[in-house]
Amino acid sequence: SQKIEQNSEALNIQEGKTATLTCNYTNYSPAYLQWYRQDPGRGPVFLLLIRENEKEKRKERLKVTFDTTLKQSLFHITASQPADSATYLCALDIDGATNKLIFGTGTLLAVQP
Amino acid sequence: GAGVSQSPRYKVAKRGQDVALRCDPISGHVSLFWYQQALGQGPEFLTYFQNEAQLDKSGLPSDRFFAERPEGSVSTLKIQRTQQEDSAVYLCASSLVQGVYNEQFFGPGTRLTVL
Repeated sequence: SQKIEQNSEALNIQEGKTATLTCNYTNYSPAYLQWYRQDPGRGPVFLLLIRENEKEKRKERLKVTFDTTLKQSLFHITASQPADSATYLCALDIDGATNKLIFGTGTLLAVQP
Repeated sequence: GAGVSQSPRYKVAKRGQDVALRCDPISGHVSLFWYQQALGQGPEFLTYFQNEAQLDKSGLPSDRFFAERPEGSVSTLKIQRTQQEDSAVYLCASSLVQGVYNEQFFGPGTRLTVL
């Protein structure tokens, strides 16, 4: 079956450390992958997009890698802050004509002060 | 500028009632998506519009679910004869164009509880 897996358990880290979240998928060949942040009671907010021919993308304290051979993306937040605490969702494009996204289950990140 | 808005934010329905959920996308956005999000899960695709045309409804769980976007802007998701398993957050998202690498802008969602 088609699956997108993210860290199933919450990730707890200390302020200032680097948080690393994983996204693994099977049976897809996505043209690109996106990462979203979701706070309780709110809709997801777009963070980063990485294309299949890109290995790494950075935006401020965020870094995303995309390994199409391993079928894996890693999402890093450096110098983490308590305000980074949220659920992070990876999403794959499986139909480039429509931008239809398939989401993972999300990883809850808690940054302790 | 205004983002995607959804109404109502919360809806409680008795089993068997019909409900209608509204989405106002960002002005000028061509694509509109509906997702269903169960507690502790990621959003699951329901249906997609390009302007007024519904191009993909493969994610609608049953024929009790119906979506429309008659003038290519506001969209309504209707659920007939609601069941308890319909309880979830229903998210609407819009994006500027289709077929290119576009982020989706999400509304806050409508939390539906079916008693």
